[in-house]
Amino acid sequence: NAGVTQTPKFRILKIGQSMTLQCAQDMNHNYMYWYRQDPGMGLKLIYYSVGAGITDKGEVPNGYNVSRSTTEDFPLRLELAAPSQTSVYFCASSLPGGNSPLHFGNGTRLTVT
Amino acid sequence: AQKITQTQPGMFVQEKEAVTLDCTYDTSDPSYGLFWYKQPSSGEMIFLIYQGSYDQQNATEGRYSLNFQKARKSANLVISASQLGDSAMYFCAMRGRIGANSKLTFGKGITLSVRP
Repeated sequence: NAGVTQTPKFRILKIGQSMTLQCAQDMNHNYMYWYRQDPGMGLKLIYYSVGAGITDKGEVPNGYNVSRSTTEDFPLRLELAAPSQTSVYFCASSLPGGNSPLHFGNGTRLTVT
Repeated sequence: AQKITQTQPGMFVQEKEAVTLDCTYDTSDPSYGLFWYKQPSSGEMIFLIYQGSYDQQNATEGRYSLNFQKARKSANLVISASQLGDSAMYFCAMRGRIGANSKLTFGKGITLSVRP
């Protein structure tokens, strides 16, 4: 099973450029999430989705956009990259309910210079 | 709102000894789950153990156990018989049942180093 797949693994962007981080899961999970992790810190929620067509802001949504047109895919869009967006980005998915763990992708390391 | 607090500085343990990693939490949700994740230097997030707020028994998974004290709002991870491969960052997290609380809220993490 592939689980949660994120692409690319690494990316360097110039200030002002745009890009989309891809995330796909094959576990038929309704819930999907995007987190960012800054060095030495915990994960902060950017956006999440409880199903196709439904998205909600997390703790740090500014500078990002998401869409959820299918159950499997949850891309994260950076429109105008800024140095503050240099981070490691994790996509995750889960079943609903407080007893379900999140399954994480391997992360995308993004550097904005 | 949910909050997870991990305040221990970097932890050190001798190989084969046990270690406890502290976690306290706060939430208004009556039903919630507590999770521990391991992040080795390679960067992936590995789910270790889960404890439900209504579970009567403390959770165990192999060498991992969770010391859950609901009244004190603490959910400490105990690793028995530490191995060199346990050296990693450990995150405590919680998740409510519905709505905005259904997301996973993380603490800042604790770095564990296992000495040979």
